[in-house]
Amino acid sequence: AQKVTQAQTEISVVEKEDVTLDCVYETRDTTYYLFWYKQPPSGELVFLIRRNSFDEQNEISGRYSWNFQKSTSSFNFTITASQVVDSAVYFCALSINFNKFYFGSGTKLNVKP
Amino acid sequence: GAGVSQSPSNKVTEKGKDVELRCDPISGHTALYWYRQSLGQGLEFLIYFQGNSAPDKSGLPSDRFSAERTGGSVSTLTIQRTQQEDSAVYLCASSTRDRGHEQFFGPGTRLTVL
Repeated sequence: AQKVTQAQTEISVVEKEDVTLDCVYETRDTTYYLFWYKQPPSGELVFLIRRNSFDEQNEISGRYSWNFQKSTSSFNFTITASQVVDSAVYFCALSINFNKFYFGSGTKLNVKP
Repeated sequence: GAGVSQSPSNKVTEKGKDVELRCDPISGHTALYWYRQSLGQGLEFLIYFQGNSAPDKSGLPSDRFSAERTGGSVSTLTIQRTQQEDSAVYLCASSTRDRGHEQFFGPGTRLTVL
C-alpha cells in the first residue's frame, strides 16, 4: 500500500527565515514519482515539482529546494528566505503509474512579516 | 480560459438529493482526476480517467458515487442520495504525458449537504 505522511500540520515563521517541510512516503514499488503542490489561500493547487525514484539528485529552483533521500523515504522541501507570499498549504504526493495519486494531509505554512 | 474549469463553484443541497458536478479539463489533456478535499484535510483520490475509460474506480467512497467522461473531455461526478458527510470541496485535475503528467487543478466545487 502507498502512503504519504506530512507530520507537520502547521508551521509559522517570520519572513526571511528558512523553513523545511517534511514528507515521508511508503511504497513497495521500485518505480514511483513524488510531487509537491502548493495551495494558496485562493484555493487552486499549483504544481511545484516532480521527482522519479531513479533520480535522487537534489533540485534547486530559486528559493525552493528539494531533498530526496530513498534511504529514509523522504522528500523534503525547503524554502530559503521565506516571504509572505509563500504562505499556503503545501502537499506532498506519491504516484506509481500516474493512475492514482496519494496525497499527504498537507502542511500549512504561515509566513509573518 | 486555458485552465481547468469546474461548475458549479458552490452547491448547497438537501440530504437525500442527487447532485452533478462538472469538470472541463484543459483541451488535449487525456487524463482526468477527481479528488475530494474535506475541511482541513488532504486530497482523497476518487477516480481517474484515461480518455473516456476509468481503469481505477477504487477511490469512490460508495456506490452512491459515479463518474463519467464523454468525448475524452468533459467529466461529470454524480452523487446520489447525498449525505452530510459528502460535504467537501470536489477538485478536478487534468494532465498529459507531454507535460510530464503534471496535474492542473480546477478551482473546485464546494458542496454543502444540509
